[in-house]
Amino acid sequence: EDKVVQSPLSLVVHEGDTVTLNCSYEVTNFRSLLWYKQEKKAPTFLFMLTSSGIEKKSGRLSSILDKKELFSILNITATQTGDSAIYLCAVVRNTNAGKSTFGDGTTLTVKP
Amino acid sequence: DAGVTQSPTHLIKTRGQQVTLRCSPKSGHDTVSWYQQALGQGPQFIFQYYEEEERQRGNFPDRFSGHQFPNYSSELNVNALLLGDSALYLCASSFLGQGAYEQYFGPGTRLTVT
Repeated sequence: EDKVVQSPLSLVVHEGDTVTLNCSYEVTNFRSLLWYKQEKKAPTFLFMLTSSGIEKKSGRLSSILDKKELFSILNITATQTGDSAIYLCAVVRNTNAGKSTFGDGTTLTVKP
Repeated sequence: DAGVTQSPTHLIKTRGQQVTLRCSPKSGHDTVSWYQQALGQGPQFIFQYYEEEERQRGNFPDRFSGHQFPNYSSELNVNALLLGDSALYLCASSFLGQGAYEQYFGPGTRLTVT
């Protein structure tokens, strides 16, 4: 069975800090790893990573995948209170398009 | 461009009752997946619909069933509700032509079973 483990479970930082969120996975026939941000209800898509070693960036957020060691990290620089959310990591198999296996998320709280 | 919509937003039911949740996918999407998210956990895959058929299913009992309509909208039905069914139910849509790997989520339906 596919497995996704995120760490830490929760994190409290102050505005301006840089944070690194971790996601390790075990999946048969890996296709992609996805990061989502969940604030109130709907998870919103951040990144999809398929190739190892290629960093994806969007503003202050960046992510990279290591397919050899089976993990990904999500970095957020110069954090803001609006970054407070649950960050979810999910994996998808090649054969199971549309079915994502999620971790339990990291709850990030950014204090002013 | 309308995103994924779900109804109702909140629902309170009693044990043993039945419930139907609804989802309209993002414009241009043809695939709908349903997830259950219990408090403090990540979403768990229930099943996926494409071309009005159940394409994949997670580890959920037969009490959970669904349907997809010709306009790609979908329903999730849960029979004989248990207290443990209380959760946020998320619908996600995608386009199979793009491999359906990138999913867009709706705001969810919060189901409380008392």
